[in-house]
Amino acid sequence: DQQVKQNSPSLSVQEGRISILNCDYTNSMFDYFLWYKKYPAEGPTFLISISSIKDKNEDGRFTVFLNKSAKHLSLHIVPSQPGDSAVYFCAAAATGTASKLTFGTGTRLQVTL
Amino acid sequence: DGGITQSPKYLFRKEGQNVTLSCEQNLNHDAMYWYRQDPGQGLRLIYYSQIVNDFQKGDIAEGYSVSREKKESFPLTVTSAQKNPTAFYLCASTIGPGRGSPLHFGNGTRLTVT
Repeated sequence: DQQVKQNSPSLSVQEGRISILNCDYTNSMFDYFLWYKKYPAEGPTFLISISSIKDKNEDGRFTVFLNKSAKHLSLHIVPSQPGDSAVYFCAAAATGTASKLTFGTGTRLQVTL
Repeated sequence: DGGITQSPKYLFRKEGQNVTLSCEQNLNHDAMYWYRQDPGQGLRLIYYSQIVNDFQKGDIAEGYSVSREKKESFPLTVTSAQKNPTAFYLCASTIGPGRGSPLHFGNGTRLTVT
């Protein structure tokens, strides 16, 4: 049972435009959400996180939005740059679970010139 | 520079052989984790350890074993009992079991078993 879902396996966006990556979750116990970026043959690197007490968190070009009632979060990248081309993983955790993250299947973002 | 070192980057083994993947961190993190990535799938948790000499099974622990004798080291053994061992293995660590610190990952070991 996939508790964290990223339904778009890939996304292509022009440089300078907005990239929107989506993530849905089913476990209502999840209260902490993260986005990771991964290049081929490397480990994921942490991008941004959000706690369930917030509905938005911003860090430079990256903004994460959380809609708890819809169990949906999204990552916005504005403006998109070619170096943003990577696989993006959404992850979630519940309080008291020892930082055990449940990951989505990832979305491959391609930023074109 | 602090970080997580996984070695080797690529590993090849014959079916039926046990193999141990190394993970060392110099971040002084208490908690360490092993994840597995397969094509088209998210990362799945194999084992984790919150403190030295203690570890717990993750979601897909069957066919794997770990040890945590030192804070900085968390080796993973892929045994011959693991039915589909070929995968990309990622080690991670975090300061503690709370949510305040996200996981830091190593660069992974790609294991191929033929």
